[in-house]
Amino acid sequence: QKEVEQNSGPLSVPEGAIASLNCTYSDRGSQSFFWYRQYSGKSPELIMFIYSNGDKEDGRFTAQLNKASQYVSLLIRDSQPSDSATYLCAVRGSGGSNYKLTFGKGTLLTVNP
Amino acid sequence: NAGVTQTPKFQVLKTGQSMTLQCAQDMNHNSMYWYRQDPGMGLRLIYYSASEGTTDKGEVPNGYNVSRLNKREFSLRLESAAPSQTSVYFCASSRTGRGVNTEAFFGQGTRLTVV
Repeated sequence: QKEVEQNSGPLSVPEGAIASLNCTYSDRGSQSFFWYRQYSGKSPELIMFIYSNGDKEDGRFTAQLNKASQYVSLLIRDSQPSDSATYLCAVRGSGGSNYKLTFGKGTLLTVNP
Repeated sequence: NAGVTQTPKFQVLKTGQSMTLQCAQDMNHNSMYWYRQDPGMGLRLIYYSASEGTTDKGEVPNGYNVSRLNKREFSLRLESAAPSQTSVYFCASSRTGRGVNTEAFFGQGTRLTVV
């Protein structure tokens, strides 16, 4: 089982819709979770982090974490064409692997005007 | 504040040649990472360094070596390049520890082609 898995996509939504991106992880002890956005040909950039169970909102973005289910998601409300990018889920390992940051394969999101 | 700086940005190598990718950060981070990114594969961890003087293998270390020269610099070396190493390479750094403010910051990437 891969350590971090994301819904494979690609995902296409109309402008103004809600985009939902999902991620599961295998290390039950993981404590830190991150969502990055990567535009084509660019470096990943952090958009959200979450450490506690529940929801965390930042503008149009909401991250959701359920440690019991080992599941983390990102919701993008009122999606805009500028949100079209690849979204990467990242998980920091637990215990001795705390220094290790593992990424999923990413989900390509296209927002259609 | 430059953040994470990688050199070079582009490189073409012939099979069997060697080269070193350089990375430096000015954020006083303890941890540094090297990833490669291939189409449809996401970011795969090659090596990481939790602190100055330590390095550990990641998911895909074969064919690579690293050196944590000091707290700022973390280099990646290809001793004998192979076409399978054609990829985009990203260096990243982060604070060490759990929870808050441990996100990784990335360099601009190196696009490497091995022919």
